[in-house]
Amino acid sequence: GAVVSQHPSRVICKSGTSVKIECRSLDFQATTMFWYRQFPKQSLMLMATSNEGSKATYEQGVEKDKFLINHASLTLSTLTVTSAHPEDSSFYICSARGGTSTYEQYFGPGTRLTVT
Amino acid sequence: DQQVKQNSPSLSVQEGRISILNCDYTNSMFDYFLWYKKYPAEGPTFLISISSIKDKNEDGRFTVFLNKSAKHLSLHIVPSQPGDSAVYFCAAGRGADGLTFGKGTHLIIQP
Repeated sequence: GAVVSQHPSRVICKSGTSVKIECRSLDFQATTMFWYRQFPKQSLMLMATSNEGSKATYEQGVEKDKFLINHASLTLSTLTVTSAHPEDSSFYICSARGGTSTYEQYFGPGTRLTVT
Repeated sequence: DQQVKQNSPSLSVQEGRISILNCDYTNSMFDYFLWYKKYPAEGPTFLISISSIKDKNEDGRFTVFLNKSAKHLSLHIVPSQPGDSAVYFCAAGRGADGLTFGKGTHLIIQP
């Protein structure tokens, strides 16, 4: 149980284009989903928190107009990186909390974004 | 300001022995802590958690100890196996907030 998937696993895009990353909880309903980013040899940094049916809450320093988050259902959240730049190249990971867990978060496999 | 610290970037342990991974935190408002195992280019895998009202939680080979007065927690793996080689992240959370992660410790299990 507690499986989270992400799609795509890897994407290369050109500077100025937008990329959408999907995060799904496969066997439980996720009341809350989170998006993290990890740069090489760094820790995971929380970008935003999304609750189903409401606006996402962004961490300080994360541009909400650049990183659009939609949590349309209890099993799906999407992150859209708009007008991507090379500095947005990173490993994006989502997590989900819900089901029987009170506070444990289960992570997806991550998406490697490379902006050329 | 780093609220969760893992001061050992790497740790080498012989197979069969005990692995002890340490984590310190500064925010006394955290009310739960988790350990994750991670391989490169993969998402973290949940291992074990502990609520701030407890001082120990055990699950198979994994035991987490929490010392609130010292703001310190540790993960013990006994016995260590080759498949345990990975990067281990300590994470802390409060209420419904997202997690704050340490920088990770690369555990290497030697045969």
